[in-house]
Amino acid sequence: GIQVEQSPPDLILQEGANSTLRCNFSDSVNNLQWFHQNPWGQLINLFYIPSGTKQNGRLSATTVATERYSLLYISSSQTTDSGVYFCAVANYGGSQGNLIFGKGTKLSVKP
Amino acid sequence: NAGVTQTPKFQVLKTGQSMTLQCAQDMNHEYMSWYRQDPGMGLRLIHYSVGAGITDQGEVPNGYNVSRSTTEDFPLRLLSAAPSQTSVYFCASSYSRGNTIYFGEGSWLTVV
Repeated sequence: GIQVEQSPPDLILQEGANSTLRCNFSDSVNNLQWFHQNPWGQLINLFYIPSGTKQNGRLSATTVATERYSLLYISSSQTTDSGVYFCAVANYGGSQGNLIFGKGTKLSVKP
Repeated sequence: NAGVTQTPKFQVLKTGQSMTLQCAQDMNHEYMSWYRQDPGMGLRLIHYSVGAGITDQGEVPNGYNVSRSTTEDFPLRLLSAAPSQTSVYFCASSYSRGNTIYFGEGSWLTVV
């Protein structure tokens, strides 16, 4: 099946700093989503981005499907950005039609 | 819209007991799924459904059973609970299999 690797596994930032989270995947995909899990365990969908670039406020994401990676950018980080960020991928029509999740990047933003 | 609703939020079971985790969505989504989350393992798919009356196994289906009699509901049954099933369980839904997925708030299950 498709392998999903996220880096770095842990990241500590000072409030106001910028960061880039990476998601590498081992096979072609036609579905890629980014999620934020807050400290209370709630999973929030950030982006549906199988290719291209999207922006939502201080967050943006870019997926280069041909090179099998996606990046999540967080600018001017806030303490509320803390939590775990997951990347999930799928290939409908291939052998892996359901979302496969990476193990996440744990982000801690210090005031 | 309530979105995806899971109950109960917390549950403690004894080994060998059975129970059902409830999941309901009010978005008329065809695709529903159950994941479990364990420390350091990310989320792993247990079972999924692409529509009423259709279910299939995911990555870790053993010890779990599902049914989908209506579009709205997708309960997950633990047949005979084992300590290895201690986990956080998430139900999710999307309009169809390839669309944006939305999660419930999770159910924390402890098997002693």
